Amino acid sequence: GQQLNQSPQSMFIQEGEDVSMNCTSSSIFNTWLWYKQDPGEGPVLLIALYKAGELTSNGRLTAQFGITRKDSFLNISASIPSDVGIYFCAGQNYGGSQGNLIFGKGTKLSVKP
Amino acid sequence: EPEVTQTPSHQVTQMGQEVILRCVPISNHLYFYWYRQILGQKVEFLVSFYNNEISEKSEIFDDQFSVERPDGSNFTLKIRSTKLEDSAMYFCASRKTGSNTEAFFGQGTRLTVV
Repeated sequence: GQQLNQSPQSMFIQEGEDVSMNCTSSSIFNTWLWYKQDPGEGPVLLIALYKAGELTSNGRLTAQFGITRKDSFLNISASIPSDVGIYFCAGQNYGGSQGNLIFGKGTKLSVKP
Repeated sequence: EPEVTQTPSHQVTQMGQEVILRCVPISNHLYFYWYRQILGQKVEFLVSFYNNEISEKSEIFDDQFSVERPDGSNFTLKIRSTKLEDSAMYFCASRKTGSNTEAFFGQGTRLTVV
């Protein structure tokens, strides 16, 4: 089945620093999504990307859908303590797969005040 | 803002017992999903449900698992005879029809099998 490689696995940064994480896949997706998960909570959608090459921002977050449709990155600028959590990329296809998500293994972000 | 709600938040059950996890998807959504997350691992797809039938399932979703939409609002996941390795967070998600629509997740049910 489709697999996503997400990196880095964890990051420990100073408050105010910028963060970058990415996902790659051996096969293409129609949609890339980025979720954040806090401990004991469900994934919360941060950004959805629908077109190859698309660059989308949501506040301090910026994500891009790679032109090959096999990769995506997420940047967080000027990190703050509440950015702490696990960030998951997810690929989605429609049609036969009914839109179910394939998740990466997550990037655990720690922010030191 | 509408949200996916799941009950219970935590379920402890003895090995071999049946459990039913409940979800109320967002009201105008028509695609429903169950995902599982073993502690410290990634979120894994279990099953998708559309038009009152399973549309896709993963290899994790074996004969011990079943899903049902018993009425117009609930969506349930049943594990017939729980095993220790079924211990995980179970997330329900729902999505509107059409492409370019995102899935929204519930808060999850933590299932502990002892």
